[in-house]
Amino acid sequence: DTGVSQDPRHKITKRGQNVTFRCDPISEHNRLYWYRQTLGQGPEFLTYFQNEAQLEKSRLLSDRFSAERPKGSFSTLEIQRTEQGDSAMYLCASSSLWGGNEKLFFGSGTQLSVL
Amino acid sequence: AQKVTQAQTEISVVEKEDVTLDCVYETRDTTYYLFWYKQPPSGELVFLIRRNSFDEQNEISGRYSWNFQKSTSSFNFTITASQVVDSAVYFCALTPNQAGTALIFGKGTTLSVSS
Repeated sequence: DTGVSQDPRHKITKRGQNVTFRCDPISEHNRLYWYRQTLGQGPEFLTYFQNEAQLEKSRLLSDRFSAERPKGSFSTLEIQRTEQGDSAMYLCASSSLWGGNEKLFFGSGTQLSVL
Repeated sequence: AQKVTQAQTEISVVEKEDVTLDCVYETRDTTYYLFWYKQPPSGELVFLIRRNSFDEQNEISGRYSWNFQKSTSSFNFTITASQVVDSAVYFCALTPNQAGTALIFGKGTTLSVSS
């Protein structure tokens, strides 16, 4: 069990470019979450998957953002036409149920800087 | 609307001091779940505790203890005999769901423990 893995750890891009991040959850976890965290703030929920189905999306997830989890394993988060306001840490988490209670395991995040 | 307030932005203590991190929440739900997470410099959020709204018993885990008071909508976290390794950002979070969907995080409290 290597935990939740995110790639890349850092991404610097120019405004208007597209970027894609990858998340590999813990292998037996069927739920996967994306959160965004800006400096000095707590993480904000973006979206979550149960297996390959995207079950919930936050209003924060504009139409420039798209997330997929094609085979119910890894997930990708793509941001099209990046803006400076997209600069943030993008966190992925996966979860399992223990006695009916869910516990989230977070990755170390992808730090995006849009110049 | 749901909200989590961590009024203490930064706290600095010397090793072996006790420190309490405050968390006040707002929700209209009768059933809800409260969490504390630790975010060390590596960036990975680490789960510390979950408490549901029906369980007001205080909890102690080693040097950590939590005081949940529904009457004041508070869920405070105390570290006894702090250590340098406790230095991190600590987040309190709230959700109406037993699942981890749409956790509402506070802005976090940065704890610095010096030797």
